[in-house]
Amino acid sequence: DVKVTQSSRYLVKRTGEKVFLECVQDMDHENMFWYRQDPGLGLRLIYFSYDVKMKEKGDIPEGYSVSREKKERFSLILESASTNQTSMYLCASSLIAGFQETQYFGPGTRLLVL
Amino acid sequence: QKEVEQNSGPLSVPEGAIASLNCTYSDRGSQSFFWYRQYSGKSPELIMFIYSNGDKEDGRFTAQLNKASQYVSLLIRDSQPSDSATYLCAVTGWGFGNEKLTFGTGTRLTIIP
Repeated sequence: DVKVTQSSRYLVKRTGEKVFLECVQDMDHENMFWYRQDPGLGLRLIYFSYDVKMKEKGDIPEGYSVSREKKERFSLILESASTNQTSMYLCASSLIAGFQETQYFGPGTRLLVL
Repeated sequence: QKEVEQNSGPLSVPEGAIASLNCTYSDRGSQSFFWYRQYSGKSPELIMFIYSNGDKEDGRFTAQLNKASQYVSLLIRDSQPSDSATYLCAVTGWGFGNEKLTFGTGTRLTIIP
């Protein structure tokens, strides 16, 4: 079974803090993704990576950066957290680029920025 | 910008009946279509995907795709209370550079015992 894990289920941070969200997958998947999910807005793609050290902006990259130093690990960084970044953050991975490739999701991190 | 539209619901269906969930998409170049189920407080899990026009059946679930009308649906037969969840439709393109899924905002389904 594919397993995608995220470092924290819940996080509380203060405005201006630097926040790291970590995601690890154990199935040697090429692609990894970071989404945020907000009520009424659905899942929105922040960044994705199709290879180590490669990254592509998604639909809402502003205020975020990412790092992929190893194939299994994809980190999302909030350089200076703001209250409008309070959200559920979901990591996903898929094997390769392809039209039938399923994305598998981690359990999510619910981030509250005060 | 791809757009995926779903009726947010809630959609209430009696137990044992057929639940019908609909999704339309804007990009004619979309190639693959996914249905995810998300229970409250949990992450999305894949139910099924479809990429050819017509129907695809998997147990109690049937996905229907009509590319000419840019329409994809999910039918759940013999609905059970455990089917109560939010159902997300997602679409993607083909090949390198089209790895991104575009999600709809989801339809909340409630099965009434």
